[in-house]
Amino acid sequence: KAGVTQTPRYLIKTRGQQVTLSCSPISGHRSVSWYQQTPGQGLQFLFEYFSETQRNKGNFPGRFSGRQFSNSRSEMNVSTLELGDSALYLCASRYRTGGDQPQHFGDGTRLSIL
Amino acid sequence: DQQVKQNSPSLSVQEGRISILNCDYTNSMFDYFLWYKKYPAEGPTFLISISSIKDKNEDGRFTVFLNKSAKHLSLHIVPSQPGDSAVYFCAASAAGGTSYGKLTFGQGTILTVHP
Repeated sequence: KAGVTQTPRYLIKTRGQQVTLSCSPISGHRSVSWYQQTPGQGLQFLFEYFSETQRNKGNFPGRFSGRQFSNSRSEMNVSTLELGDSALYLCASRYRTGGDQPQHFGDGTRLSIL
Repeated sequence: DQQVKQNSPSLSVQEGRISILNCDYTNSMFDYFLWYKKYPAEGPTFLISISSIKDKNEDGRFTVFLNKSAKHLSLHIVPSQPGDSAVYFCAASAAGGTSYGKLTFGQGTILTVHP
């Protein structure tokens, strides 16, 4: 069974640019969540999507946005990139939102801002 | 405001012995707890979870204990193997409120198992 797939694995951008990251969940999973991992702040929740609707959002500025498509695939967009946005961005999926279900993670997209 | 804390940044254990990783939380709304293992350049891998209605859950070499009154959980690995060397993250979520659906992670503990 294929796991969560994130593309691209690595990305280099400059300040002020925007970026779109992609996530394909495990087949049959309809909930997709995004997390940011940095050395200083650790793993922090960005948002969760289920049935193409955002269900919850973390404490990130509006420059961070996402969407989910009818096939459950999700994209995350960051506009007006800042140096502090350099991080590992992780996507996680599960069958449905809420409840006692583990989230399964992809290997992430490493974003570097120059 | 760190709601999930792993106070030990690192732990070193001999192969074959028990590894005990600890985690404390402050949010009484948390009702589902998980442990993840992470290798460099990979995403976190789910290990084991426990619901707040239980105080113990086992899966092979891994056992998680939950003490709700102390807001404390621990992961026991017996016996420890060199391949267990990784960063271990404790995470928690809630069935409602602002923590609904999201995982709140601890800072991680680096486990090193020596042959």
